[in-house]
Order: sequence, then structure tokens, then C-alpha cells
Amino acid sequence: NAGVTQTPKFRVLKTGQSMTLLCAQDMNHEYMYWYRQDPGMGLRLIHYSVGEGTTAKGEVPDGYNVSRLKKQNFLLGLESAAPSQTSVYFCASSYALESYEQYFGPGTRLTVT
Amino acid sequence: KQEVTQIPAALSVPEGENLVLNCSFTDSAIYNLQWFRQDPGKGLTSLLLIQSSQREQTSGRLNASLDKSSGRSTLYIAASQPGDSATYLCAVRRGGSRLTFGEGTQLTVNP
Repeated sequence: NAGVTQTPKFRVLKTGQSMTLLCAQDMNHEYMYWYRQDPGMGLRLIHYSVGEGTTAKGEVPDGYNVSRLKKQNFLLGLESAAPSQTSVYFCASSYALESYEQYFGPGTRLTVT
Repeated sequence: KQEVTQIPAALSVPEGENLVLNCSFTDSAIYNLQWFRQDPGKGLTSLLLIQSSQREQTSGRLNASLDKSSGRSTLYIAASQPGDSATYLCAVRRGGSRLTFGEGTQLTVNP
């Protein structure tokens, strides 16, 4: 099992450009999540999904969109990147119950200039 | 709003020492608490998961305790090794599938 994988690993964008981050998991997990990690702020939830075709907002959703067309994939989109979106982005997944642990991907380091 | 605090922010110890990392949270209505390890430039590795009905969990040299009523958890690392050097994060889970993270404790174990 590869677990949770993320592509790309690194990316540099200019302000106003768009991009999509891809998260894939091979553990048949129902729940998937996108977090961002910033110095002094910890990890914060951007959006999450409780199943194929469903998404929900997390703590810091503004400026991001997500889609869950397939159970194993969760996409995070930035339509018009801003310097404030410079961060490390982590995807995670878990089984459908709150009692189960979350498994994290290796992260994507995004810089917006 | 749930807040999670980890003390200390950084800790440096000599190899072989036993140590305790602390995590506190403001809202005791949690499903569980999870401890993670993060190496520089890497993702998060889950170490231990404690359900709200449990008092502690053990894995090898690691022992995590949970006192839900007082909003506290500790991660005990026995006989620390240089390979334990990393940032340790705790996170609590409430309803809505959301984890709330602390900012972490950066641990350095010196040979």
C-alpha cells in the first residue's frame, strides 16, 4: 500500500495563477481532508469530504475549492493564487467513524510570489 | 472553540533521558486524541491514538495518557534516542471529523 500520496511535492506560482493539488489514497477510506500548515498557526483544516461526491468547508476555506469525484482522490484547487496561500499543504484520510485515526500524506510545499 | 496548547515549544535532552511532552485542550467533549511525529520537511506520522474512554495507550517506548476531565494529555518517551528528534504534535477530534492541532513540541535528543 502506498497510503496517502500527494502531487506535486513542490510548486512555485505567481500571484493570480491557478493550480490543482492531487491527493490519492489506496486504503478505501471514506473521509479525506486538506490541511495547511503555517509557522505559528499549526495545521488548519481547509476542506474535507465524508464520501465520494461530497465536500464540506473547514476552518479556512476561502480561496480554495475541492472536488471528490472518485473515492480514492481528493483535489484541492486554487483559482487565483495569493501570497497568503504560501504554505505546506497536507492531505489526510480516515475510515468513516470519528474513532479512527487519520493518515497523512507527505505534503506539498507551495510558494506564491 | 477548541484550542490545543503544547508545552514546551522546544526541548533539548541528552540521549537516554526519559521525557514528557504535554498537551492541553479547552473543550473536553472529544472523541479521541492523536499524537503525531513530524520530521523536518516531511508529513505527519501517527504515533498513538487514545479514545475518549481510554486512559492511556502504549507503543514501544512511547506511552500516552489522557485525562479528559482536566483537558490534558501527556506523551512519555522512555530512554530517548537521537532518532527521536522531531516535532511532536497532538490533535483532538470532536464531531464533524475535524482534528484541532497544537503547534507542536520540537524535540532534540543529543548524542
